[in-house]
Amino acid sequence: NAGVMQNPRHLVRRRGQEARLRCSPMKGHSHVYWYRQLPEEGLKFMVYLQKENIIDESGMPKERFSAEFPKEGPSILRIQQVVRGDSAAYFCASSRFGPAGDEQFFGPGTRLTVL
Amino acid sequence: KQEVTQIPAALSVPEGENLVLNCSFTDSAIYNLQWFRQDPGKGLTSLLLIQSSQREQTSGRLNASLDKSSGRSTLYIAASQPGDSATYLCAVGTGANNLFFGTGTRLTVIP
Repeated sequence: NAGVMQNPRHLVRRRGQEARLRCSPMKGHSHVYWYRQLPEEGLKFMVYLQKENIIDESGMPKERFSAEFPKEGPSILRIQQVVRGDSAAYFCASSRFGPAGDEQFFGPGTRLTVL
Repeated sequence: KQEVTQIPAALSVPEGENLVLNCSFTDSAIYNLQWFRQDPGKGLTSLLLIQSSQREQTSGRLNASLDKSSGRSTLYIAASQPGDSATYLCAVGTGANNLFFGTGTRLTVIP
């Protein structure tokens, strides 16, 4: 049973470009969470999605950032017009049931570097 | 708002020593608490999950305890090994749709 998959593992973008980060949850998991880890900081929640629905995006910047989890395919975190401050590790987690009380399993992360 | 603190921020111990990592949280209304391990440049590996109704969980040389009323959890590592060197993260699950993370304790086990 494969774990949470994320790709790419490393992504380099120039300022103003778009970054697309992909996450495939564990088999049987329909709940996906995105977290961001800035250098020397803890992980911070960004967004929680179920299939085709955004449930909670309270941690995601209102501009330039968007997320989706389509019926088919991976969840995607999209960052438009990237800036240097977007450089961070982005982690995806999944759970079988909802967030209340259920264990979250994390992927290896995508490390985004903005030049 | 839930805040999670981990002390110490860094710890170095000689191989074979038993050690305790601490985690405290400000809001005791939690569903669960997870301990993770993060190696440099890598993802998070879940070590132990304690539900709010539980007092402790054990896995091999690891034992995690939870005192919800006082807002504390400890991770006990027995007979530490150099391979245990990593950053250990504590995260609490609440009624919100996410985990709240501490900033971690960076552990170095010296051979």
